[in-house]
Amino acid sequence: QLALTQSPSVSASLGASVKLTCTLTSEYYNYAIAWHQQQPEKGPRYLLKINSDGRHSRGDGIPDRFSGSLSGAERYLTISGLQSEDEADYYCQTWATGIRVFGGGTKVTVL
Amino acid sequence: QLVESGGGLVQPGGSLRLSCVGSGFTFRTSPMNWVRQAPGKGLEWVSSISTSGRDTYYSHSVKGHFTISRDNSKDTLYLQMNGLRAEDTAVYYCAKDATGDYFFDFWGQGTLVTVSS
Repeated sequence: QLALTQSPSVSASLGASVKLTCTLTSEYYNYAIAWHQQQPEKGPRYLLKINSDGRHSRGDGIPDRFSGSLSGAERYLTISGLQSEDEADYYCQTWATGIRVFGGGTKVTVL
Repeated sequence: QLVESGGGLVQPGGSLRLSCVGSGFTFRTSPMNWVRQAPGKGLEWVSSISTSGRDTYYSHSVKGHFTISRDNSKDTLYLQMNGLRAEDTAVYYCAKDATGDYFFDFWGQGTLVTVSS
């Protein structure tokens, strides 16, 4: 079954880098995913897509502090130079014919 | 821009119809979706619809009691929700698919649906 697993939370200091992980179920290891950010009390915002070849493409207006990568069934979102406004929930999302799937989300706390 | 409306308080077993008006993009060429978020919980995909409206898809949790539709002449997406249950309480977001792909590249701000007696 297509599913995504995320760690519930991570924290890092202002200005540091943080790497979030999203793991696909093994038989879907080559699927593309997208990352979305949800700041407190706001709707989600698309950040970037990671293709199965590891290339990523950011959404309009998304700073290059946000980048994506992969290794096997793991998909990563790296946030460099953490800023206070990066404190948010981050969700990965994938898809197959007729369905869309979200990970459980990772809460990023900026110390 | 995507602007949802139609949320509110409804009793268990009741019905509600949500709307989402799109602007700033070519609505009729964009597959559209509904996603919900229960209080304090994560995002849950609810339903998707093709550009013409001919093809619709639902999560297991809503299949048979929610209906997605669209009116391309009005740039509007709908979600008809019948037989509402407490577990349907959530903020409902509409989201558009990226061109030629199946991830959401733009989201609305959401409308709150509360099912309670």
